[in-house]
Amino acid sequence: DIVMTQSPDSLAVSLGERATINCKSSQSVLFSSNNKNYLAWYQQKPGQPPKLLIYWTSTRESGVPDRFSGSGSGTEFTLTISSLQAEDVAVYYCQQYYSRPPTFGPGTKVDIK
Amino acid sequence: QVQLVQSGGGVVQPGRSLRLSCVASGFTFSTYALHWVRQAPGKGLEWVSVVSYDGSTKYYADSVKGRFTISRDNSKNTLYLQMNTLRPEDTAVYYCARDRIHSGSYYFDLWGQGTLVTVSS
Repeated sequence: DIVMTQSPDSLAVSLGERATINCKSSQSVLFSSNNKNYLAWYQQKPGQPPKLLIYWTSTRESGVPDRFSGSGSGTEFTLTISSLQAEDVAVYYCQQYYSRPPTFGPGTKVDIK
Repeated sequence: QVQLVQSGGGVVQPGRSLRLSCVASGFTFSTYALHWVRQAPGKGLEWVSVVSYDGSTKYYADSVKGRFTISRDNSKNTLYLQMNTLRPEDTAVYYCARDRIHSGSYYFDLWGQGTLVTVSS
């Protein structure tokens, strides 16, 4: 199985400031035949199911604000919230879907400083 | 309204069985692969199982293989998870989740509200 790790475990950012979350996979999730990284990001607020934010590393799901962006390739990826809003307080998970079973990172909790 | 509505959780003794259901509405159920994903209390997300759009293909996590069975009834827009020989480590919130495509891309664009399964004597 591909092991996903995230850093930091948690971070506190002032409103309007940038938040950056890192994700690493134990092996590459880049599929050479289509040059796509099979990496998604989810947001989970307390008591709610996860919500898809980004897929194919950098494609925002419909309705997701453009302050959320994803980048990276191979084994290293980043989710950036360019200007943190109060409603962004949540746990964020990366997930690889390059190979079965799909696996998730342990999550990064984002709070307001 | 596009949604997945779950039912069937509860408290069950180790070794017993439980069946979860997930009813879909607002989209063409029969054209999507569907998954179960679970989350132990205070923990991260763990994929459990997938069924293809027509029910012909199913895969399971090693942790549940041989004990859990995923199925679907496209005439009722309903996904099921039959859980047998439950263990305390199966205690979790179980989510049904829709795959982006019918054959299974393995990322999830719509989630049910979750249902808590507690395995305890």
